[in-house]
Amino acid sequence: SQTIHQWPATLVQPVGSPLSLECTVEGTSNPNLYWYRQAAGRGLQLLFYSVGIGQISSEVPQNLSASRPQDRQFILSSKKLLLSDSGFYLCAWRGDRVNQPQHFGDGTRLSIL
Amino acid sequence: EDQVTQSPEALRLQEGESSSLNCSYTVSGLRGLFWYRQDPGKGPEFLFTLYSAGEEKEKERLKATLTKKESFLHITAPKPEDSATYLCAVQADSGGYQKVTFGTGTKLQVIP
Repeated sequence: SQTIHQWPATLVQPVGSPLSLECTVEGTSNPNLYWYRQAAGRGLQLLFYSVGIGQISSEVPQNLSASRPQDRQFILSSKKLLLSDSGFYLCAWRGDRVNQPQHFGDGTRLSIL
Repeated sequence: EDQVTQSPEALRLQEGESSSLNCSYTVSGLRGLFWYRQDPGKGPEFLFTLYSAGEEKEKERLKATLTKKESFLHITAPKPEDSATYLCAVQADSGGYQKVTFGTGTKLQVIP
Protein backbone atom coordinates (compact mmCIF):
# COMPACT_ATOMS: atom_id res chain seq x y z
CA SER A 1 0.00 0.00 0.00
CA GLN A 2 1.01 3.60 -0.50
CA THR A 3 2.21 5.80 2.33
CA ILE A 4 3.28 9.42 2.54
CA HIS A 5 5.72 10.83 5.06
CA GLN A 6 6.21 14.45 6.00
CA TRP A 7 8.73 15.87 8.41
CA PRO A 8 9.21 17.54 10.71
CA ALA A 9 5.80 17.53 12.41
CA THR A 10 6.43 20.89 14.07
CA LEU A 11 9.00 23.56 13.44
CA VAL A 12 9.75 26.90 15.08
CA GLN A 13 11.97 29.21 13.06
CA PRO A 14 13.10 32.83 13.42
CA VAL A 15 12.20 35.43 10.79
CA GLY A 16 14.78 35.49 8.02
CA SER A 17 15.96 31.92 8.49
CA PRO A 18 15.85 29.30 5.70
CA LEU A 19 13.31 26.50 5.46
CA SER A 20 13.28 22.98 4.13
CA LEU A 21 10.28 20.68 4.50
CA GLU A 22 10.46 17.22 3.02
CA CYS A 23 7.83 14.83 1.78
CA THR A 24 8.30 11.31 0.46
CA VAL A 25 5.85 8.80 -0.95
CA GLU A 26 6.23 5.03 -0.87
CA GLY A 27 4.46 2.27 -2.75
CA THR A 28 3.74 4.10 -5.98
CA SER A 29 5.62 5.47 -8.95
CA ASN A 30 5.26 8.69 -10.94
CA PRO A 31 2.80 10.27 -8.51
CA ASN A 32 1.48 13.80 -8.85
CA LEU A 33 2.73 15.70 -5.79
CA TYR A 34 1.31 18.77 -4.10
CA TRP A 35 2.16 21.30 -1.38
CA TYR A 36 -0.72 23.07 0.39
CA ARG A 37 -0.97 25.60 3.19
CA GLN A 38 -3.95 25.49 5.50
CA ALA A 39 -4.87 28.55 7.55
CA ALA A 40 -7.37 28.39 10.39
CA GLY A 41 -10.94 28.75 9.08
CA ARG A 42 -9.82 28.78 5.47
CA GLY A 43 -9.67 26.16 2.78
CA LEU A 44 -6.51 24.49 1.64
CA GLN A 45 -4.41 26.80 -0.53
CA LEU A 46 -2.45 25.05 -3.26
CA LEU A 47 1.14 26.29 -3.33
CA PHE A 48 2.92 23.99 -5.79
CA TYR A 49 2.27 20.84 -7.76
CA SER A 50 4.49 18.51 -9.73
CA VAL A 51 3.68 15.91 -12.37
CA GLY A 52 7.24 14.60 -12.64
CA ILE A 53 10.89 14.98 -11.64
CA GLY A 54 12.03 18.56 -12.04
CA GLN A 55 8.56 19.71 -13.15
CA ILE A 56 7.14 22.28 -10.73
CA SER A 57 4.14 24.54 -11.17
CA SER A 58 3.50 27.42 -8.81
CA GLU A 59 -0.04 28.49 -8.05
CA VAL A 60 0.69 31.50 -5.87
CA PRO A 61 3.75 33.78 -6.18
CA GLN A 62 5.38 34.04 -2.77
CA ASN A 63 8.42 33.60 -0.63
CA LEU A 64 8.50 29.83 -1.11
CA SER A 65 9.86 27.44 -3.73
CA ALA A 66 9.54 23.72 -4.37
CA SER A 67 11.74 21.06 -5.89
CA ARG A 68 11.34 17.44 -6.90
CA PRO A 69 14.80 15.89 -7.06
CA GLN A 70 13.50 12.30 -7.16
CA ASP A 71 10.29 10.66 -8.37
CA ARG A 72 8.81 10.30 -4.89
CA GLN A 73 10.42 13.23 -3.09
CA PHE A 74 9.00 16.74 -2.86
CA ILE A 75 10.70 19.56 -0.99
CA LEU A 76 9.33 22.95 0.07
CA SER A 77 11.95 25.62 0.68
CA SER A 78 12.51 29.24 1.52
CA LYS A 79 15.68 31.30 1.66
CA LYS A 80 14.30 33.80 4.17
CA LEU A 81 11.13 33.15 6.15
CA LEU A 82 8.57 35.86 6.80
CA LEU A 83 6.12 36.07 9.68
CA SER A 84 3.32 35.47 7.16
CA ASP A 85 4.81 32.07 6.30
CA SER A 86 3.48 30.63 9.55
CA GLY A 87 0.87 27.96 9.03
CA PHE A 88 0.08 24.29 8.58
CA TYR A 89 1.79 22.81 5.52
CA LEU A 90 0.46 19.68 3.91
CA CYS A 91 1.98 17.45 1.27
CA ALA A 92 -0.27 15.26 -0.88
CA TRP A 93 0.09 12.72 -3.64
CA ARG A 94 -2.21 11.44 -6.34
CA GLY A 95 -1.86 8.60 -8.79
CA ASP A 96 -1.20 9.52 -12.40
CA ARG A 97 -4.59 8.25 -13.55
CA VAL A 98 -7.24 10.93 -13.93
CA ASN A 99 -10.04 11.59 -11.46
CA GLN A 100 -8.29 10.02 -8.49
CA PRO A 101 -8.36 11.65 -5.03
CA GLN A 102 -5.35 13.18 -3.36
CA HIS A 103 -3.92 11.58 -0.22
CA PHE A 104 -2.32 13.72 2.45
CA GLY A 105 0.54 13.50 4.88
CA ASP A 106 0.13 14.52 8.50
CA GLY A 107 1.45 18.02 7.92
CA THR A 108 4.05 20.35 9.42
CA ARG A 109 3.04 23.09 11.85
CA LEU A 110 5.40 25.98 11.11
CA SER A 111 5.68 28.87 13.55
CA ILE A 112 7.77 31.91 12.71
CA LEU A 113 9.03 34.03 15.59
CA GLU B 1 -13.91 30.49 -10.95
CA ASP B 2 -14.66 27.20 -9.22
CA GLN B 3 -16.32 27.60 -5.83
CA VAL B 4 -17.06 25.18 -3.00
CA THR B 5 -19.19 26.21 -0.03
CA GLN B 6 -19.75 24.01 2.99
CA SER B 7 -22.46 24.45 5.59
CA PRO B 8 -22.84 24.67 8.46
CA GLU B 9 -19.40 25.85 9.57
CA ALA B 10 -19.86 24.01 12.85
CA LEU B 11 -22.32 21.41 14.04
CA ARG B 12 -22.86 20.06 17.50
CA LEU B 13 -24.81 16.81 17.86
CA GLN B 14 -25.80 14.56 20.70
CA GLU B 15 -24.58 11.00 20.34
CA GLY B 16 -27.12 9.15 18.18
CA GLU B 17 -28.59 12.33 16.67
CA SER B 18 -28.42 11.94 12.88
CA SER B 19 -27.77 14.93 10.61
CA SER B 20 -26.35 16.02 7.27
CA LEU B 21 -23.50 18.23 6.12
CA ASN B 22 -23.83 20.18 2.89
CA CYS B 23 -21.33 20.94 0.15
CA SER B 24 -22.53 23.14 -2.69
CA TYR B 25 -20.31 23.72 -5.68
CA THR B 26 -20.00 25.75 -8.84
CA VAL B 27 -17.60 24.27 -11.38
CA SER B 28 -17.49 23.60 -15.06
CA GLY B 29 -16.45 20.13 -16.08
CA LEU B 30 -16.78 18.27 -12.78
CA ARG B 31 -14.48 15.27 -12.68
CA GLY B 32 -15.09 14.19 -9.13
CA LEU B 33 -16.20 15.29 -5.70
CA PHE B 34 -14.24 14.13 -2.67
CA TRP B 35 -15.03 13.99 1.03
CA TYR B 36 -12.28 14.01 3.65
CA ARG B 37 -12.15 13.80 7.42
CA GLN B 38 -9.55 15.89 9.25
CA ASP B 39 -8.64 15.44 12.90
CA PRO B 40 -6.91 18.30 14.77
CA GLY B 41 -3.24 18.58 13.88
CA LYS B 42 -3.49 15.90 11.19
CA GLY B 43 -3.77 15.83 7.42
CA PRO B 44 -7.12 15.16 5.74
CA GLU B 45 -8.05 11.49 5.47
CA PHE B 46 -9.83 10.45 2.28
CA LEU B 47 -13.37 9.11 2.71
CA PHE B 48 -15.29 9.03 -0.58
CA THR B 49 -15.23 9.92 -4.25
CA LEU B 50 -18.44 10.68 -6.14
CA TYR B 51 -18.35 11.09 -9.90
CA SER B 52 -21.89 11.65 -11.16
CA ALA B 53 -25.27 12.92 -9.99
CA GLY B 54 -27.28 10.24 -8.23
CA GLU B 55 -24.25 8.37 -7.00
CA GLU B 56 -24.06 7.30 -3.35
CA LYS B 57 -21.24 5.87 -1.23
CA GLU B 58 -21.39 4.47 2.30
CA LYS B 59 -18.87 3.74 5.02
CA GLU B 60 -20.00 2.75 8.50
CA ARG B 61 -22.20 5.62 9.78
CA LEU B 62 -21.42 7.90 6.81
CA LYS B 63 -23.22 8.14 3.50
CA ALA B 64 -22.32 10.61 0.76
CA THR B 65 -24.68 11.63 -2.03
CA LEU B 66 -24.26 13.83 -5.09
CA THR B 67 -26.55 16.03 -7.18
CA LYS B 68 -25.65 18.39 -10.01
CA LYS B 69 -25.12 21.28 -7.60
CA GLU B 70 -24.38 19.83 -4.18
CA SER B 71 -23.31 16.88 -2.11
CA PHE B 72 -24.49 15.74 1.29
CA LEU B 73 -22.64 13.79 3.91
CA HIS B 74 -25.23 12.04 6.05
CA ILE B 75 -24.17 10.89 9.50
CA THR B 76 -26.43 8.27 11.05
CA ALA B 77 -26.40 7.75 14.82
CA PRO B 78 -23.04 9.48 15.28
CA LYS B 79 -20.60 8.58 18.02
CA PRO B 80 -18.07 10.86 19.78
CA GLU B 81 -15.28 9.39 17.64
CA ASP B 82 -16.96 10.90 14.58
CA SER B 83 -15.99 14.34 15.88
CA ALA B 84 -13.72 15.96 13.29
CA THR B 85 -13.71 18.54 10.52
CA TYR B 86 -15.19 17.23 7.28
CA LEU B 87 -13.85 18.71 4.05
CA CYS B 88 -15.39 18.63 0.61
CA ALA B 89 -13.36 19.12 -2.57
CA VAL B 90 -14.20 19.20 -6.27
CA GLN B 91 -11.94 18.26 -9.14
CA ALA B 92 -12.58 19.93 -12.47
CA ASP B 93 -10.86 20.53 -15.78
CA SER B 94 -8.86 23.75 -15.88
CA GLY B 95 -6.82 24.44 -19.00
CA GLY B 96 -5.60 20.86 -19.45
CA TYR B 97 -4.95 20.42 -15.74
CA GLN B 98 -7.33 18.87 -13.20
CA LYS B 99 -7.66 21.48 -10.49
CA VAL B 100 -8.95 20.62 -7.02
CA THR B 101 -10.83 23.23 -4.99
CA PHE B 102 -11.46 22.64 -1.29
CA GLY B 103 -14.21 23.98 0.91
CA THR B 104 -13.45 25.39 4.35
CA GLY B 105 -15.02 22.44 6.11
CA THR B 106 -17.67 21.65 8.70
CA LYS B 107 -16.44 21.11 12.24
CA LEU B 108 -18.53 18.36 13.79
CA GLN B 109 -18.67 17.77 17.53
CA VAL B 110 -20.56 14.75 18.84
CA ILE B 111 -21.35 14.92 22.54
CA PRO B 112 -21.75 11.72 24.60
